[in-house]
Amino acid sequence: DAGITQSPRHKVTETGTPVTLRCHQTENHRYMYWYRQDPGHGLRLIHYSYGVKDTDKGEVSDGYSVSRSKTEDFLLTLESATSSQTSVYFCAIRSGQRTDTQYFGPGTRLTVL
Amino acid sequence: AQSVSQHNHHVILSEAASLELGCNYSYGGTVNLFWYVQYPGQHLQLLLKYFSGDPLVKGIKGFEAEFIKSKFSFNLRKPSVQWSDTAEYFCAVKTSGTYKYIFGTGTRLKVLA
Repeated sequence: DAGITQSPRHKVTETGTPVTLRCHQTENHRYMYWYRQDPGHGLRLIHYSYGVKDTDKGEVSDGYSVSRSKTEDFLLTLESATSSQTSVYFCAIRSGQRTDTQYFGPGTRLTVL
Repeated sequence: AQSVSQHNHHVILSEAASLELGCNYSYGGTVNLFWYVQYPGQHLQLLLKYFSGDPLVKGIKGFEAEFIKSKFSFNLRKPSVQWSDTAEYFCAVKTSGTYKYIFGTGTRLKVLA
């Protein structure tokens, strides 16, 4: 357990509405990541952050934006949710240069109707 | 682009059977390799990892994996599975000089009691 929490844990929303998911960590890790998990696709990287206000795109970033104004929080926003964004979203941290391992949060199940 | 292939999408075994899950990656440079497990309804947990040294690494719960550089492979093994090993297993690769982790599509293991 790397002290990662995600909120909300479950959310149902309607197409076209904005949605923000929050990832919070308590151990001051520099790198944070957002993934989505879908059957048959495994985990796909949406965005990641390498410091406060420093973010970069992953392989499936279209339709998503992120922000990191504090080390401990990494927010994922769906500007206008679509049904194709129904998924389970996982946040992860990288444990540091020496151990160089990712640890995951509990996930958020998002359903877009 | 780098990729990770997990050849077996679904595996069904009886208790006490031996397990081997395949993982191949496409990158010729230095890599860090990981296996994660996801029990039903839970987040990903680290099983084991390989960075350097002895290519046979041992992880938690009796799992081990062997890195074969010439084959770009990192197969997961367990001599005798238990019903509680029922889960989805993900292989992941991180290439040197990057902070992105590439995941395979996962293998669902079902162990019959």
